[in-house]
Amino acid sequence: AQTVTQSQPEMSVQEAETVTLSCTYDTSESDYYLFWYKQPPSRQMILVIRQEAYKQQNATENRFSVNFQKAAKSFSLKISDSQLGDAAMYFCAYRSAYIMGAQKLVFGQGTRLTINP
Amino acid sequence: KAGVTQTPRYLIKTRGQQVTLSCSPISGHRSVSWYQQTPGQGLQFLFEYFSETQRNKGNFPGRFSGRQFSNSRSEMNVSTLELGDSALYLCASSPPDRDSPRVNQETQYFGPGTRLLVL
Repeated sequence: AQTVTQSQPEMSVQEAETVTLSCTYDTSESDYYLFWYKQPPSRQMILVIRQEAYKQQNATENRFSVNFQKAAKSFSLKISDSQLGDAAMYFCAYRSAYIMGAQKLVFGQGTRLTINP
Repeated sequence: KAGVTQTPRYLIKTRGQQVTLSCSPISGHRSVSWYQQTPGQGLQFLFEYFSETQRNKGNFPGRFSGRQFSNSRSEMNVSTLELGDSALYLCASSPPDRDSPRVNQETQYFGPGTRLLVL
């Protein structure tokens, strides 16, 4: 079974600074997807960024980028120029790329990110 | 396009009762997944339905069940409620895979959740 671990329960950063959230995972599969989801106080889960394991290039979405290290099974999220609206719970998630895995997401425990003005 | 909708948004039940939660996916989406979120256990996968068939199931007791209708709307049912069933229940939908050798490639979009409190 796959597992996802987020070792930082809480992080804080000054507005406009850069912060990196850590995530490691364990799997015996060679093909999979990794995601970062954001959950603000409204509790709506919002996709931040996704990475396909077969792609070596790290995904980037505006101020959000990842550092995907497949051999180390590490998938960190970097938020540049942090904004007050980035304050939320961030979840790292894994999904198999094989049909039997279907649409099952395996989530980490989350990191609560606080932005200090 | 309208997003994923879940009804009701809040629910209070007592132990022993049963409850049904509803999820309407984004138009065109055929896969619906359900997750339970609690402070202690985090986010856990319940089950996934695709074209009215359960495609995957998490490690939950048989009191948790679901179904999907021909219009892709899904319901989940919890019978004989326990205090520990108090949680935020999230559903997510995703479109069918594009015509590609790769499977499971589509992104899931979450609804706002149903908060269930069992007293």
